[in-house]
Amino acid sequence: DAGVIQSPRHEVTEMGQEVTLRCKPISGHNSLFWYRQTMMRGLELLIYFNNNVPIDDSGMPEDRFSAKMPNASFSTLKIQPSEPRDSAVYFCASTWASSGGADTQYFGPGTRLTVL
Amino acid sequence: AQSVTQPDIHITVSEGASLELRCNYSYGATPYLFWYVQSPGQGLQLLLKYFSGDTLVQGIKGFEAEFKRSQSSFNLRKPSVHWSDAAEYFCAVVMGYSSASKIIFGSGTRLSIRP
Repeated sequence: DAGVIQSPRHEVTEMGQEVTLRCKPISGHNSLFWYRQTMMRGLELLIYFNNNVPIDDSGMPEDRFSAKMPNASFSTLKIQPSEPRDSAVYFCASTWASSGGADTQYFGPGTRLTVL
Repeated sequence: AQSVTQPDIHITVSEGASLELRCNYSYGATPYLFWYVQSPGQGLQLLLKYFSGDTLVQGIKGFEAEFKRSQSSFNLRKPSVHWSDAAEYFCAVVMGYSSASKIIFGSGTRLSIRP
């Protein structure tokens, strides 16, 4: 089992550029989560999909952030335009249950984003 | 609103010593409780979870946690730590079991091991 796959692992971009982060959940899992981790704010849930449908996006910081899940095996998190305060590690996680976060989540290795 | 507190930002213990990491939550009913571990440069991995039943829960890597309803706590313990346990530990709570349930993570406790 390959686990949750995220790409790229590292991204350095300049302020104002569009950034797209990608996630492939574990096969058979039907829930997918995007998190952001910073020193100041810790680990924050940004958005949660169940069966490809966004269930809770209350954690998405602002309109510059958007997430999609066009099918069960792929999701993207897009930031447009990016700002230096978006610099963080972004994690994707998946689980097999339709229980919000109430079942074991399997995390990807994260994407470290640096916005200059 | 639900919340979870990890009062210790950083703890250092000697290899072979016992460990207890604290976690307190705020909620009117019994939540689902989790401990996750994050090794440097990696994603989080589940150590253990409590849903119901026995309040002492065993997890992977020799960890255990005890749910104490009266104290709203779910502290993580290990009788003898190993250098490989150095990592960041996150307590998390989820209220309810439905597609609308939301997980809240604590701020984490960084564990260092003294040789």
